[in-house]
Amino acid sequence: GAVVSQHPSRVICKSGTSVKIECRSLDFQATTMFWYRQFPKQSLMLMATSNEGSKATYEQGVEKDKFLINHASLTLSTLTVTSAHPEDSSFYICSARVRGNTGELFFGEGSRLTVL
Amino acid sequence: KQEVTQIPAALSVPEGENLVLNCSFTDSAIYNLQWFRQDPGKGLTSLLLIQSSQREQTSGRLNASLDKSSGRSTLYIAASQPGDSATYLCAVRPWGGADGLTFGKGTHLIIQP
Repeated sequence: GAVVSQHPSRVICKSGTSVKIECRSLDFQATTMFWYRQFPKQSLMLMATSNEGSKATYEQGVEKDKFLINHASLTLSTLTVTSAHPEDSSFYICSARVRGNTGELFFGEGSRLTVL
Repeated sequence: KQEVTQIPAALSVPEGENLVLNCSFTDSAIYNLQWFRQDPGKGLTSLLLIQSSQREQTSGRLNASLDKSSGRSTLYIAASQPGDSATYLCAVRPWGGADGLTFGKGTHLIIQP
């Protein structure tokens, strides 16, 4: 299957700092990428849909000024958690849809964010 | 709003058994349904994708069925192995295809050697 790479896999930061997480589609073009977060023993919750060259669409309850998403190319989307707080600590996972395919999504390995 | 429920939440069985994981969804207007595997602290691995027009998909020892009208899907694992231990997630994509997936909470599966 297609490969989606996320970086970093783990990050620890101090409260108040900003953290950027990258999501790359390595062997395909992804017009649409999705960002999810997952709390311990919970399912994945969609945060936002990122379309190449346009603004992201955020799910209800997700602060767009806090979770900045940029999808500048067909192979890269970034999620920046601004002014991170301990409650932002979570597992963030991106996924990408192969351009033109029937809809299968491929997921990155996830990024574990811990805010002290 | 679509809701996805997975039963059971956890399952522990001896190696070699055949088992069935269940997934139900409230809105039958789906584009497709996908089963994933998640190992602890890891991302998701896609196992099977069933389009809304399909009834089942098979890959090796895995078979997934879809009954869209009743809002149900099952994942059948044959001859289970300890390496199958993981959390299995079911997710649906809404009709229209543009939006992200709605996930169930998963079934945590342990295969005892």
